[in-house]
Amino acid sequence: KNEVEQSPQNLTAQEGEFITINCSYSVGISALHWLQQHPGGGIVSLFMLSSGKKKHGRLIATINIQEKHSSLHITASHPRDSAVYICAATTGGADGLTFGKGTHLIIQP
Amino acid sequence: ETGVTQSPTHLIKTRGQQVTLRCSSQSGHNTVSWYQQALGQGPQFIFQYYREEENGRGNFPPRFSGLQFPNYSSELNVNALELDDSALYLCASRTGQGPQETQYFGPGTRLLVL
Repeated sequence: KNEVEQSPQNLTAQEGEFITINCSYSVGISALHWLQQHPGGGIVSLFMLSSGKKKHGRLIATINIQEKHSSLHITASHPRDSAVYICAATTGGADGLTFGKGTHLIIQP
Repeated sequence: ETGVTQSPTHLIKTRGQQVTLRCSSQSGHNTVSWYQQALGQGPQFIFQYYREEENGRGNFPPRFSGLQFPNYSSELNVNALELDDSALYLCASRTGQGPQETQYFGPGTRLLVL
């Protein structure tokens, strides 16, 4: 059974700071997803990674398959980035996604 | 907008009752998964349907059941509701495989069992 751990659980930072959220998993996966969840529940898919690095605007996601570790970075953070960020792993089969507990990020003006 | 809708948005039931939650995804999204998210926790996988057949299931009892229809809609049914079933229920449809895989999440249905 895959275990997905995220850190930190809670993070408060000032506007403009560089943010890093970490995710580790216990078994081999076919892909790792980074998701954003706002109050009220809606989840938006940010990235799906199977190797290397992806960038979208101020967001960067990296994955190290050998170390079973992924990071989500936010550059020049802004209060609108405040949300819960969740990583989720898939083995590619019919087992669905295994989610981390999420990182609650607050960016203060 | 993800193109995935869920209904109802909120629901209150009492212990022992039955509930049906609905999800509608985009045309061509053959795979749909349902997740339960308790307060302060990450979502937990309930089950997955592919072309109207259940092809994967998480650690949930048989009173959690589902259906998927040819029009890309699906249902989650929960019988004999328990207080611990209170949670946000999310459906997610999927397109593509491997590197081309994309997940689309609905806004969720928040269920409260009293």
